[in-house]
Amino acid sequence: KQEVTQIPAALSVPEGENLVLNCSFTDSAIYNLQWFRQDPGKGLTSLLLIQSSQREQTSGRLNASLDKSSGRSTLYIAASQPGDSATYLCAGPRAGNQFYFGTGTSLTVIP
Amino acid sequence: DAGVTQSPTHLIKTRGQQVTLRCSPKSGHDTVSWYQQALGQGPQFIFQYYEEEERQRGNFPDRFSGHQFPNYSSELNVNALLLGDSALYLCASRRTRATGELFFGEGSRLTVL
Repeated sequence: KQEVTQIPAALSVPEGENLVLNCSFTDSAIYNLQWFRQDPGKGLTSLLLIQSSQREQTSGRLNASLDKSSGRSTLYIAASQPGDSATYLCAGPRAGNQFYFGTGTSLTVIP
Repeated sequence: DAGVTQSPTHLIKTRGQQVTLRCSPKSGHDTVSWYQQALGQGPQFIFQYYEEEERQRGNFPDRFSGHQFPNYSSELNVNALLLGDSALYLCASRRTRATGELFFGEGSRLTVL
């Protein structure tokens, strides 16, 4: 069974800082890795998908990398803003199958 | 382009009752999966439907059942509700033969009293 761990569980930073969120998984047979954002009481919003053959993806101030051999993914957020405050979740499936989620990193960006 | 839509958004039930949650997938998506998210936890996989059949199931009892219709929409049914079934129920969809990117709805918040 895939185990996904996210560190840190919570993070508080001043506005403008760059930050890194970490995700580790136990099964290197992971197919894709996807990062999501979740606001309180809401659904999940897809941020970035790193496909099996890729090592990283970028979207605006976000950059995610994937190292399947070490079982790690990182999400880099540049120049953080108060609107970035949310819980960030990583998840990945084995090919065609269920996604396994971490418990998330709760981010607070202080104005 | 409508995303994944779920109904109802909130509902309150009592122990022992039954509930049905509904989901319409994102346009062009044919695979629907359901997740349960308890407070402070990551989503847990319940099951996945493709071509109107349950294709994979997580570690949930038979009280949890589902259905997928020819238009790819889906229902999640939970019988004999327990207090521990209180959670946010999330529906997700994807295109089977595409990148596999998963898209979620806003969820249905179920409270069991």
